Amino acid sequence: EPEVTQTPSHQVTQMGQEVILRCVPISNHLYFYWYRQILGQKVEFLVSFYNNEISEKSEIFDDQFSVERPDGSNFTLKIRSTKLEDSAMYFCASTLPASGEKLFFGSGTQLSVL
Amino acid sequence: TQLLEQSPQFLSIQEGENLTVYCNSSSVFSSLQWYRQEPGEGPVLLVTVVTGGEVKKLKRLTFQFGDARKDSSLHITAAQPGDTGLYLCAGARGTDKLIFGTGTRLQVFP
Repeated sequence: EPEVTQTPSHQVTQMGQEVILRCVPISNHLYFYWYRQILGQKVEFLVSFYNNEISEKSEIFDDQFSVERPDGSNFTLKIRSTKLEDSAMYFCASTLPASGEKLFFGSGTQLSVL
Repeated sequence: TQLLEQSPQFLSIQEGENLTVYCNSSSVFSSLQWYRQEPGEGPVLLVTVVTGGEVKKLKRLTFQFGDARKDSSLHITAAQPGDTGLYLCAGARGTDKLIFGTGTRLQVFP
């Protein structure tokens, strides 16, 4: 079964550093999402992306965050200057219209900001 | 703000017991999904319910969507240790973002 893949599985970085989290959505999917889950808390929506642009973003997704689909395959989340509170599990998801709104999630990238 | 509240937050039961998890909101959703999440993994979809009043069964799991499409329940019959995990409901409106519930952490002891 096709799956969403995320790399790296773990990322440790120093506060203030830039990080790029990578995702390869399922190839024929058209909608892409980033969610995050701080340890012990609920899964929170960050941003949705369709037709090469952001379709919606949450208040968490401030100017420090950006997304890109550089080559029609990868979908990246960049955090320009990481803060301690950015430490979380970041999940990428994708879906195809008419799939019954089923989102396919990757296994996540655990980001630890020291 | 669309909120999905799940109850209970934590549930510890013995193998063989039955349980029900509730997911409630004041908002109407076009569909409601239930996910299970293992530690260190992404959420995995269990079921999607679309029609108000709909009931879906997945082996020992029974999912129901409220008539007004604002709430849902998950009932597990004869729970097993393999059912242990974090259960998440999530409401959707078309291809709009999913709003996740607060989660129910289930522990089933042998």
